[in-house]
This record gives sequence, structure tokens and C-alpha cells, in this order.
Amino acid sequence: DAGVIQSPRHEVTEMGQEVTLRCKPISGHNSLFWYRQTMMRGLELLIYFNNNVPIDDSGMPEDRFSAKMPNASFSTLKIQPSEPRDSAVYFCASNQEGGVSSPLHFGNGTRLTVT
Amino acid sequence: GENVEQHPSTLSVQEGDSAVIKCTYSDSASNYFPWYKQELGKRPQLIIDIRSNVGEKKDQRIAVTLNKTAKHFSLHITETQPEDSAVYFCAARGGADGLTFGKGTHLIIQP
Repeated sequence: DAGVIQSPRHEVTEMGQEVTLRCKPISGHNSLFWYRQTMMRGLELLIYFNNNVPIDDSGMPEDRFSAKMPNASFSTLKIQPSEPRDSAVYFCASNQEGGVSSPLHFGNGTRLTVT
Repeated sequence: GENVEQHPSTLSVQEGDSAVIKCTYSDSASNYFPWYKQELGKRPQLIIDIRSNVGEKKDQRIAVTLNKTAKHFSLHITETQPEDSAVYFCAARGGADGLTFGKGTHLIIQP
């Protein structure tokens, strides 16, 4: 398996622009997580899906952030409009949930820079 | 929600010595405690995990201990090597929540 695949690896954009990050989870995994990593705040859970349904989006910082999972093999995280403070590494992760927690597998991340 | 505290933030040890990283959690319902290693510019990768029905788990030079009563768990690395240098994260999960991570420990192995 290729693992969790994220695109793009790097994104540089200007303040006010829309940014879309993409994620393909590991085939067969039924849960998908979006995390944001910064030096100041560490790894923060933004939102997670189980069987394509958003379960907890309490970590989404504000209405400028939205996430979708239209099917089991694809998810997007959108920021509109983007701001410099959104600059961070965004990780997608997936696992198979079935009553007992299984390990999270992370993608390589998207490094977002908003100028 | 869950809150995970991790200490120390930076740990420097001599090559060959042992390293210990400690974490506490707040939610007594948490039952899964993984540890991740992240090298510079790379993704976090699982190195060991423990579930609440056991108190200790070992994998070669790495071991994790869990004290449910005190709500703390620790990572132990013995005979440290240069390739152990990285940032280590502890995490906790209970019920239907996502993993909550500690702030990380930057482990430096001095030659």
C-alpha cells in the first residue's frame, strides 16, 4: 500500500486566496483525521471522519476552515480566505476503527505558507 | 476533552545512556496511548503503543509503562543511538475522540 497520500506537498499563497488540501487515506481504513502542526501549538486535531461522516469538528479554528469527505478514498480541507496565521504543516491520517483503537498512519503533510 | 501534558520539552543524553519521557493525561476514559517519532521535515511515525489493559510493553530498546491510577505513561529508550535523535510525541485517546497529542520532546543524542 502507498500509505496516506497528501497533495500538494508545499503550497505558497497570498493572503485572501482559497487553499484546498487533499488527502487519500489507506484503502480499507474507515476513519480519517486532519491535524495541523505548528511550533507554538504542536499537533492539533482539526476534524475527523468515520465512514465519511464528520464526527468531531470542534478543532476547526473558525468558519474559514471547512472539510469534506465525499467518499471513502478522498477528503479535502479548504481554507477560504487564507491568512498568514494559517501557515503550518497540515497532516492527514487514517486508521481502521472497530471498537479497539488501531494505529494512526500519517501522510507526508502539506506545508502551507500564506504571505 | 482530553488534555495531554508532556515533559521534558528538550532532553539531551549521552550516546549509550537511557532516555525517559513522561506524559500525563486528564480523561480517565482514555484507553489507548501511542508514541510517535518525528524526524525533521518528516511525518510522525508510530514507534510503540499501549492499551489500558496492560501496564508495560517492550519492543527491543523501547518500552512504555502506564499507570492508570495516576494517569501517566512514560517512554523509555535504552542504549540510545544517534538515530534516536528526533521529536517524540505521546498521545491519548478514549471513546470516540480523536488522538490528543502532547507538545513533543526534542531528544538529542550527544556523541
